[in-house]
Amino acid sequence: AQSVTQLGSHVSVSEGALVLLRCNYSSSVPPYLFWYVQYPNQGLQLLLKYTSAATLVKGINGFEAEFKKSETSFHLTKPSAHMSDAAEYFCAVSGLSGGYNKLIFGAGTRLAVHP
Amino acid sequence: DTGVSQDPRHKITKRGQNVTFRCDPISEHNRLYWYRQTLGQGPEFLTYFQNEAQLEKSRLLSDRFSAERPKGSFSTLEIQRTEQGDSAMYLCASGQTEDNYGYTFGSGTRLTVV
Repeated sequence: AQSVTQLGSHVSVSEGALVLLRCNYSSSVPPYLFWYVQYPNQGLQLLLKYTSAATLVKGINGFEAEFKKSETSFHLTKPSAHMSDAAEYFCAVSGLSGGYNKLIFGAGTRLAVHP
Repeated sequence: DTGVSQDPRHKITKRGQNVTFRCDPISEHNRLYWYRQTLGQGPEFLTYFQNEAQLEKSRLLSDRFSAERPKGSFSTLEIQRTEQGDSAMYLCASGQTEDNYGYTFGSGTRLTVV
């Protein structure tokens, strides 16, 4: 079955520490990959996207992600966490069995940032 | 352009009642999507339109659900005979046919069925 897996439903880091949120996918075709952030009671905001260009993608708010085809991964990182980064993060893929017309989301990772 | 607008933001309804949600996409976007997000889960695809044509529906969209986009602009999602299991955040997103590179989401409508 083709899917998106986010390892770790909750991640907790100290302010200023590295943020690493993991995402793996399974796909038989080159996917498009996305990371979205969701603040409480709000919609989804696009952080960054991979669309078969550079494998290291830089997004907003200092986040970046690297597409590794051999590992079928698209992990999200930020060198130094800020309190305002506390939110839920979703990895999403298009181009799986459903085609490129819709996104398939992972279950999400809730990031907590402690002072 | 103010992005994707959804109305209402919150809806509380009694089981068995019908509810209707509205989505206004970004004006130049010809594609419109509906997703449902339950607590602690990622959004799940429900349906999408290209202009006024509904091109795909998920198996999640039971007979009690209907979506329309009559003039290729705004869309409505109606749930008939609501059940407690329908309680969720309903998210709308819009995009361009030429751009499969992600979509712009609205803030969602949170439905609570009591």
